[in-house]
Amino acid sequence: AQSVSQHNHHVILSEAASLELGCNYSYGGTVNLFWYVQYPGQHLQLLLKYFSGDPLVKGIKGFEAEFIKSKFSFNLRKPSVQWSDTAEYFCAGAGNTPLVFGKGTRLSVIA
Amino acid sequence: DTAVSQTPKYLVTQMGNDKSIKCEQNLGHDTMYWYKQDSKKFLKIMFSYNNKELIINETVPNRFSPKSPDKAHLNLHINSLELGDSAVYFCASSQGRGEAFFGQGTRLTVV
Repeated sequence: AQSVSQHNHHVILSEAASLELGCNYSYGGTVNLFWYVQYPGQHLQLLLKYFSGDPLVKGIKGFEAEFIKSKFSFNLRKPSVQWSDTAEYFCAGAGNTPLVFGKGTRLSVIA
Repeated sequence: DTAVSQTPKYLVTQMGNDKSIKCEQNLGHDTMYWYKQDSKKFLKIMFSYNNKELIINETVPNRFSPKSPDKAHLNLHINSLELGDSAVYFCASSQGRGEAFFGQGTRLTVV
């Protein structure tokens, strides 16, 4: 079955720390991968996406992600987090089935 | 000119009632979705629909039914509401397997 998994349930970082959130996918065939962010009380917004080409993709707000096919991974990174990055982060994939989400990672950034 | 709009934003109702949530997209997308987000923030796809195919998550009770009067609308009808149906329901749309755009969500509370 096609699936996306996120292993970090809750990550707590201090401001200016570097961030890496893990995402692994299980798809047979071509897959489009996404990272979404959900700020408290809000809807999901797209951070970045990967369809093909350069495996390092850059998104909004200084986020980037790297597609590593051999590891079936699409980890999200940011060199220096801010308090305003506190949110829920979701990895998602779309293959032959509709868009499927991982369980999400809550990021708490403390001053 | 909201891209994906859903109404109502909040819905409080008693067990056993029947209710509908409306969703409209003005992006010209060919695919629309309904997701359920539970208290743990897990996003579960309920339905995926384009003008050719309805894909139903087999775990969704048949009390839930999508209704699409046209390509731009996908409403969610729920019969005989139960306490466990309380959640936030998100509508989304995409063009094929591209990025999904989400509505603001409907917080359903069943009492």
